[in-house]
Amino acid sequence: AQSVTQLDSHVSVSEGTPVLLRCNYSSSYSPSLFWYVQHPNKGLQLLLKYTSAATLVKGINGFEAEFKKSETSFHLTKPSAHMSDAAEYFCAVGAGNNRKLIWGLGTSLAVNP
Amino acid sequence: GAGVSQSPSNKVTEKGKDVELRCDPISGHTALYWYRQSLGQGLEFLIYFQGNSAPDKSGLPSDRFSAERTGGSVSTLTIQRTQQEDSAVYLCASSPSRTETGELFFGEGSRLTVL
Repeated sequence: AQSVTQLDSHVSVSEGTPVLLRCNYSSSYSPSLFWYVQHPNKGLQLLLKYTSAATLVKGINGFEAEFKKSETSFHLTKPSAHMSDAAEYFCAVGAGNNRKLIWGLGTSLAVNP
Repeated sequence: GAGVSQSPSNKVTEKGKDVELRCDPISGHTALYWYRQSLGQGLEFLIYFQGNSAPDKSGLPSDRFSAERTGGSVSTLTIQRTQQEDSAVYLCASSPSRTETGELFFGEGSRLTVL
């Protein structure tokens, strides 16, 4: 069975400081892993995706994530937070096929001036 | 339109009434998904369409829930005899691929409140 745990429900950072949003997964298969972002009153948008190619995945808006099989983790990072990064972030895992992604509960990122 | 369009954006209904939620996917996208997002819960898969067919409807929580897709485009999610536990945001997503890449384009959702 597949599952996703986002380790922090809320993260607060200052503008210009690094962002770390943590995601652990469990999968019986070789997983596909995703990070999506949801800005207020907007639809979810794909940030980045891992599908067994390079373990360090670069996404949009300066975000990247590293797949660590030994730690079953897929943490999302950004070197320098911007005010516009304030949003809800969701980690998801697909396995076998990606028809039915399994989603984490989300991490709310606040960026303080 | 440029993105996935859902209507209504907000719906308040009384317990026991039927509701219909509409999704207009991105033109040309063959795959369409419905998810439910409840307070404090992750996204919950409801149903998946490829064209007009629904090869996976395993996430529909009860027989009060049904969905259809016509013309390979617009989809309607119907909830009959609504209950308070049906209150949630219903999200529609589409994907251009016939293979299931997990790359989904989401609408802004329909917020359903059952009184």
